Amino acid sequence: DAEITQSPRHKITETGRQVTLACHQTWNHNNMFWYRQDLGHGLRLIHYSYGVQDTNKGEVSDGYSVSRSNTEDLPLTLESAASSQTSVYFCASSEGGRDTGELFFGEGSRLTVL
Amino acid sequence: GQNIDQPTEMTATEGAIVQINCTYQTSGFNGLFWYQQHAGEAPTFLSYNVLDGLEEKGRFSSFLSRSKGYSYLLLKELQMKDSASYLCAVMDSNYQLIWGAGTKLIIKP
Repeated sequence: DAEITQSPRHKITETGRQVTLACHQTWNHNNMFWYRQDLGHGLRLIHYSYGVQDTNKGEVSDGYSVSRSNTEDLPLTLESAASSQTSVYFCASSEGGRDTGELFFGEGSRLTVL
Repeated sequence: GQNIDQPTEMTATEGAIVQINCTYQTSGFNGLFWYQQHAGEAPTFLSYNVLDGLEEKGRFSSFLSRSKGYSYLLLKELQMKDSASYLCAVMDSNYQLIWGAGTKLIIKP
């Protein structure tokens, strides 16, 4: 079955370290997204991509970067982790055009920055 | 600014009906979406409304009034497995999804 997987599922790191969260989907979806989810907030968009070599900043992109070298993967990098980046991170993908709001989410990556 | 409002928490009884409301103020409108999220799990898509009216899908229905900036999700014949958070999201004029903070639904026997 096609799926979307994230790794690691749990990560503890220290302030200032670089962290990369992996996201891999086997649906061949063009659209991929990274969100963070914090208590009391809705999902907030970090970065997104509508295809290979396409990346765009979302609402809360400061301190994060992504690259899209193939259809399947959209890794999220925290260049210098900060305690404010402690959160649950969800990767998602969708098929069709950018007006598709039916997203398929990965299981999430819980990141703790000490 | 853009805003999605929904109640933080609701409690209902197994077998009953519950209505979860969502009001929104966004820059443009390209559809409203409801997702279900069980604790510790990923959100999963439930429904989509782009025109006014009611969309029914089994025990779940979703209603939209664009003129009022209002939607609700109606859950019938509640089951314990319906205990989850329900997320309302609106796609704005830039095709970005704006998410509410979610409504935690607690089902009691």
